[in-house]
Amino acid sequence: AQKVTQAQTEISVVEKEDVTLDCVYETRDTTYYLFWYKQPPSGELVFLIRRNSFDEQNEISGRYSWNFQKSTSSFNFTITASQVVDSAVYFCALSEGDSGYSTLTFGKGTMLLVSP
Amino acid sequence: KAGVTQTPRYLIKTRGQQVTLSCSPISGHRSVSWYQQTPGQGLQFLFEYFSETQRNKGNFPGRFSGRQFSNSRSEMNVSTLELGDSALYLCASSSYGTENEKLFFGSGTQLSVL
Repeated sequence: AQKVTQAQTEISVVEKEDVTLDCVYETRDTTYYLFWYKQPPSGELVFLIRRNSFDEQNEISGRYSWNFQKSTSSFNFTITASQVVDSAVYFCALSEGDSGYSTLTFGKGTMLLVSP
Repeated sequence: KAGVTQTPRYLIKTRGQQVTLSCSPISGHRSVSWYQQTPGQGLQFLFEYFSETQRNKGNFPGRFSGRQFSNSRSEMNVSTLELGDSALYLCASSSYGTENEKLFFGSGTQLSVL
C-alpha cells in the first residue's frame, strides 16, 4: 500500500532563513507521481510541483527547490530566504501510475511558520 | 477564469441527518475529485468523477456517495451523519488526460456534526 510520511509536524523559522520540508514515500509501483501542495489559512490547496518516478532531476522555481531521490524514497522541498507569506501547511502527496493525478495519498502535512 | 466553487462554505448538522455538498469545477474541467480533511486522519481521497462516471473511489463507507452532472458540476452526499464526519470537504477539478493535468482545489465546505 502507498504511504507518505512527513515527519515534521511544525517548523518555525525567522524570515530569510532557509528551510527544508521532508517527505518520505512508500509504493510498490514503478510508475508513480509525487506532488507538493501548499494550504494557506484560506483553506484551498495550491499545486506547487509534480514529479514522475522516471525523472529524478531536481527542480528549482524561484526560491523553491525540490530534491527527488529514489534511492531513499524521498522528495524534499526547500524554501530559500523564507518570507512571512510562505507561512502555510505544506503537503507532500503520491499517486500511483494507474490511478492518475487525481487519486492522491497525502502526508499529514508540515505547518511552516515564518516570523518577521 | 473562475476557480473551483464549493457551496455552502459552512454547514452544521445533527447526527442522523443527511447532507449534500456542491462543487462547480473550473470551466472546461471534466474531472472532479473529493477529499475529506480532518485533524486526525489528514487528507483522504473520497472519489473522482469524470464525464458523469465514477472513476476511482477511496476507502469510505457507502454512506458517502457522489454524482456528476452533464455540466461537470458535482455533488457529494453523506447520509446518516456521524460525529466523525465533521471535517473540511475539499473538491478539486482537473483537465484529466491533458499534458498540464493537475488538481485545482476549492476552499472547501466545513461540516460540523453535532
